[in-house]
Amino acid sequence: KNQVEQSPQSLIILEGKNCTLQCNYTVSPFSNLRWYKQDTGRGPVSLTIMTFSENTKSNGRYTATLDADTKQSSLHITASQLSDSASYICVVAYGGSQGNLIFGKGTKLSVKP
Amino acid sequence: NAGVTQTPKFRILKIGQSMTLQCAQDMNHNYMYWYRQDPGMGLKLIYYSVGAGITDKGEVPNGYNVSRSTTEDFPLRLELAAPSQTSVYFCASRTTGGSNIQYFGAGTRLSVL
Repeated sequence: KNQVEQSPQSLIILEGKNCTLQCNYTVSPFSNLRWYKQDTGRGPVSLTIMTFSENTKSNGRYTATLDADTKQSSLHITASQLSDSASYICVVAYGGSQGNLIFGKGTKLSVKP
Repeated sequence: NAGVTQTPKFRILKIGQSMTLQCAQDMNHNYMYWYRQDPGMGLKLIYYSVGAGITDKGEVPNGYNVSRSTTEDFPLRLELAAPSQTSVYFCASRTTGGSNIQYFGAGTRLSVL
């Protein structure tokens, strides 16, 4: 069964600190992996997208890694800001051209001053 | 450039009532999607469309109907609302090919009482 598991479920950190969110997946056939940020009451917004051959991709203070062998990905946030408080969703695309996606449940990050 | 616009933002329905959730995009995207997001769960695909006049079922289509008469609009119809349809509904769109990044609307929060 195609699944995307994220950990931790929630996380509280102090402003300025770094953190890493984890994503494990069992999705076949794998197409690409994305990380989305979802602010409360808003739709998800794409942060990064990585294909099978990409190990690392950065978007400002966000750096995503992908290990296609172990089927694991991580999202590292550097020097956190209050505006980073949101849910971070790992999404794996599979199959053909319809863009079929499997969504993780998300990690809820709270950045405190 | 408005992106993906969803209306209404909030709605309360009584059991058995019907309603249409509106979704419009101004990016000339061929692909459009409807998802539901239940508390603590990942997004689930309800229906999708690969172009005007073409729609197909996703993972959880029961109780819903869609139509796609134009490229811009993709309404979602609930015919006989049930409490199990209480959720947040997101519409998304993407262009053909490329990175397959989906752009999401802000969501419609629906309660069926």
